[in-house]
Amino acid sequence: DGGITQSPKYLFRKEGQNVTLSCEQNLNHDAMYWYRQDPGQGLRLIYYSQIVNDFQKGDIAEGYSVSREKKESFPLTVTSAQKNPTAFYLCASSMASGGYNEQFFGPGTRLTVL
Amino acid sequence: EDKVVQSPLSLVVHEGDTVTLNCSYEVTNFRSLLWYKQEKKAPTFLFMLTSSGIEKKSGRLSSILDKKELFSILNITATQTGDSAVYLCAVEALRMSGGSNYKLTFGKGTLLTVNP
Repeated sequence: DGGITQSPKYLFRKEGQNVTLSCEQNLNHDAMYWYRQDPGQGLRLIYYSQIVNDFQKGDIAEGYSVSREKKESFPLTVTSAQKNPTAFYLCASSMASGGYNEQFFGPGTRLTVL
Repeated sequence: EDKVVQSPLSLVVHEGDTVTLNCSYEVTNFRSLLWYKQEKKAPTFLFMLTSSGIEKKSGRLSSILDKKELFSILNITATQTGDSAVYLCAVEALRMSGGSNYKLTFGKGTLLTVNP
């Protein structure tokens, strides 16, 4: 089955700890994205990558880091510098980022900082 | 700064009712407008609209775009309890940095609840 997988589904972390969220896709998509969703808010872009070994900051990149070593994988690390990390994190991919390409979303990871 | 505003923010209807969800936008270098349905987890794609006045339909759902007035509507007829979800509107536009680099800006969503 083609699709996007994210793990874990739920994640709890103590303040001051870094945590890495996994995102894998087997759709052969070039572009991948990370969004954050807070209650009553729209999706906000954290980072995106148009191609392997390249990525750019989105609108709210502070306190986050990413890597894109393989086309299929785009992990997101939430660092201790992120002041308010409790949120629902969504990963997405699209064929390219050159327009007219709908993004397909993974099931999300709900991160709670205790 | 690109802006997408959805209304209403929430809506409660009875099965069989028809609903209209609104999405207005202010963006530079508009490319397309997309509608997604989100039921607790992954948003699923509904429609992509690029041209004014051309209705897109999928079963009981339909959507249309007005590029002059900068808005889109999503209609759902004969609603069912399975239509209960958050409906997200997103606008694809060229990034300020230019090139062929596009971004999606999402609205806050409309929470639709369909009661039996």
